[in-house]
Amino acid sequence: NAGVTQTPKFQVLKTGQSMTLQCAQDMNHEYMSWYRQDPGMGLRLIHYSVGAGITDQGEVPNGYNVSRSTTEDFPLRLLSAAPSQTSVYFCASRDKEEPVQYFGAGTRLSVL
Amino acid sequence: GQSLEQPSEVTAVEGAIVQINCTYQTSGFYGLSWYQQHDGGAPTFLSYNALDGLEETGRFSSFLSRSDSYGYLLLQELQMKDSASYFCAVNAGNMLTFGGGTRLMVKP
Repeated sequence: NAGVTQTPKFQVLKTGQSMTLQCAQDMNHEYMSWYRQDPGMGLRLIHYSVGAGITDQGEVPNGYNVSRSTTEDFPLRLLSAAPSQTSVYFCASRDKEEPVQYFGAGTRLSVL
Repeated sequence: GQSLEQPSEVTAVEGAIVQINCTYQTSGFYGLSWYQQHDGGAPTFLSYNALDGLEETGRFSSFLSRSDSYGYLLLQELQMKDSASYFCAVNAGNMLTFGGGTRLMVKP
């Protein structure tokens, strides 16, 4: 089992560029989430999904889109990158019956 | 919505015991989780309390009081490798909301 896999690990963007952060899990988990973590801060929920075809907004959804066409994949799209989106992004998944959330290794994004 | 409060930093010596407190306000509550994160790494699950009381997992224990909206993580026999950030998180069903984290520094 690979667990939760995020790509890329590092990315540098220019203001206004768009990109997609990829996330895949091989544990057949229903729930998947995207968080951002700024230096010295906690994790803030961007978007989450409780199953294929179902997504909802978290605390800080502005500037981000998600879709969930399969159980395995949950990509995060930055529509027009801004310096305020410089952060570390974590994807996570969990079984709906279990409290344990598994995190990917993170994507470190810089927007210049 | 949810809000969680925990101390920003705690320092302790190797071999000691340390307690990290967490208070929360939430509109929905299924349980309180604790996660550990080393610098540059991803958060990893430590423990979960759905009911009042103490849960013990090796050197780590976690406590919950639902009536007080309060929990804590207790780390015993501290080791240098325990230096990390510790996050409490409220499980509100579909969502997991994290506190700002407590940075634990273990000194020799």
